[in-house]
Amino acid sequence: AQSVTQLDSQVPVFEEAPVELRCNYSSSVSVYLFWYVQYPNQGLQLLLKYLSGSTLVESINGFEAEFNKSQTSFHLRKPSVHISDTAEYFCAVSPTGFQKLVFGTGTRLLVSP
Amino acid sequence: DTAVSQTPKYLVTQMGNDKSIKCEQNLGHDTMYWYKQDSKKFLKIMFSYNNKELIINETVPNRFSPKSPDKAHLNLHINSLELGDSAVYFCASSQAAGTAYSPLHFGNGTRLTVT
Repeated sequence: AQSVTQLDSQVPVFEEAPVELRCNYSSSVSVYLFWYVQYPNQGLQLLLKYLSGSTLVESINGFEAEFNKSQTSFHLRKPSVHISDTAEYFCAVSPTGFQKLVFGTGTRLLVSP
Repeated sequence: DTAVSQTPKYLVTQMGNDKSIKCEQNLGHDTMYWYKQDSKKFLKIMFSYNNKELIINETVPNRFSPKSPDKAHLNLHINSLELGDSAVYFCASSQAAGTAYSPLHFGNGTRLTVT
């Protein structure tokens, strides 16, 4: 079975500051890793994913995440956040080759001016 | 041109009632899902259908019954509603279930409140 831990339930940050949202996972099999974002009153949207290859993956809006197998982590980072990045961020894992996402409990990113 | 649409958006009902939530996707995906998000924002898969066939059925009470009339629709029927059923229910879809290359596309959710 897989599990995902997001230690920070809420991360407040000022606009243009850097941010890191932490994600650790546990699994006895190989996994794919994902970050989803949920804006208020909306469904989840895929932000980025790690399937294989380069351990550093990037999204189109400036977020990046690095897969660290030894530390079983997949932390999400952005060098400079915007007000519009305020949302709930979910880390998720799926056993390789099987579409069954297990989500973490989410981290609320609050960006203030 | 919404990709995954759910109705209704809000549902308020009393304990003991039976209610349904409908979901439709126009992405041509083969697989559809129901997820439940509780008051602490925790998301957990309930069911998954691949081409109208049930492939994932997590530990969900028998009061919950998914129905897939075709691969573009996955409805969720709930009998004898209980207070603990209050949550946001998300429908999602993806390409074939056998690959993780296809991201899930989520609907905007149905907020169910049982009083």
